[in-house]
Amino acid sequence: GAGVSQSPSNKVTEKGKDVELRCDPISGHTALYWYRQSLGQGLEFLIYFQGNSAPDKSGLPSDRFSAERTGGSVSTLTIQRTQQEDSAVYLCASSLDRWGGGGYTFGSGTRLTVV
Amino acid sequence: KQEVTQIPAALSVPEGENLVLNCSFTDSAIYNLQWFRQDPGKGLTSLLLIQSSQREQTSGRLNASLDKSSGRSTLYIAASQPGDSATYLCAVDNAGNMLTFGGGTRLMVKP
Repeated sequence: GAGVSQSPSNKVTEKGKDVELRCDPISGHTALYWYRQSLGQGLEFLIYFQGNSAPDKSGLPSDRFSAERTGGSVSTLTIQRTQQEDSAVYLCASSLDRWGGGGYTFGSGTRLTVV
Repeated sequence: KQEVTQIPAALSVPEGENLVLNCSFTDSAIYNLQWFRQDPGKGLTSLLLIQSSQREQTSGRLNASLDKSSGRSTLYIAASQPGDSATYLCAVDNAGNMLTFGGGTRLMVKP
């Protein structure tokens, strides 16, 4: 696609429920990244994919968070048993390669609200 | 660990002024540096990308410079307009697999 597409754009969920956030990167971009931006906070790195593998999972805040990428394209970030502190904007980005070739392109984000 | 700092945190100027946003980083071994704009409730829009071998990049009224040795970058905005009001984020790529962001500068341009 022309840009990075994320869905849904907004998600309200009850505490304890599981949610899935989707990211469709730019076609041909081999690297994909997830970031989180909490209210009034900076951007926090969550996880990075090169192809389908995730060599760096260091940013995932807890074992309730997981992510996968299939076919070297679409990625899904799953949050299990959501908590109120998970409320944030989840941003996805892609780049040509793992060295940020051509820079990083971000999607519009998914605003997650846990009530 | 890379740390990125942006000064000032907030800036309010009258329309038409030229202004400079500052970004500093602690680890000079970077691949590239990228400036983004974020409007309230929106994602990030890329403004300028400076590769580590470059000194500056220009796009329209925007000019970004990079001094790797001193760990600094500046974003210069000429003839500011109310539509420039947004948060400007500096991000450094020095690990080849993630960006480290500064805290941003919240810019308000008054008509």
